[in-house]
Amino acid sequence: EAAVTQSPRNKVAVTGGKVTLSCNQTNNHNNMYWYRQDTGHGLRLIHYSYGAGSTEKGDIPDGYKASRPSQENFSLILELATPSQTSVYFCASGETGGANEQYFGPGTRLTVL
Amino acid sequence: GEQVEQLPSSLIVQEGASVLINCSYTDSASVYFPWYKQEPGKRLQFIIDIRSNMERKQTQRLTLLFDKKTKHLSLHITATQPGDSAIYFCSASNSAGNKLTFGIGTRVLVRP
Repeated sequence: EAAVTQSPRNKVAVTGGKVTLSCNQTNNHNNMYWYRQDTGHGLRLIHYSYGAGSTEKGDIPDGYKASRPSQENFSLILELATPSQTSVYFCASGETGGANEQYFGPGTRLTVL
Repeated sequence: GEQVEQLPSSLIVQEGASVLINCSYTDSASVYFPWYKQEPGKRLQFIIDIRSNMERKQTQRLTLLFDKKTKHLSLHITATQPGDSAIYFCSASNSAGNKLTFGIGTRVLVRP
């Protein structure tokens, strides 16, 4: 069974603070993704990675950085958190070699006050 | 970039009835269309997919139809159960498969 975990599951941050969301996958997938989910927008891609050491900008990368230190781990970093970044964040992993389904984590609910 | 639209945004049905969710996309380079289900408070779960060289795919109570000419998909769920209550997302990807574009989702409520 595919396994993607996220931490923390809930986070309250202050405006201007730094937030790091972590994701771990045991699927041995090369590709990993960060999305945010907001009412009226569905899921939107923030950053993704093809493997350790690589990060790519998704559709809404402004205000976010990503880090992929290993095959298993992919982090999303908010250097200066703003209230507009209050959202639910999902990490996912997927195989390379063509279009394939993605396996999602349980989500992190982030509130920026 | 790709845009994916879903209709309706929400619907309520009686248990045992059928559900039809429509989805359209804009980018003719999209070739892979997975659908996901999200139960309340849960992660997205893959339910069915179709590739652009197919017109129809069926698994158990799900039937997915694809019209390449009109860039339209439809997901049909038959014999609904309360456990089908969820948000259903249509998505589209190009052949590289590195990026999924999602619709806003269709919230389905199945009343017992």
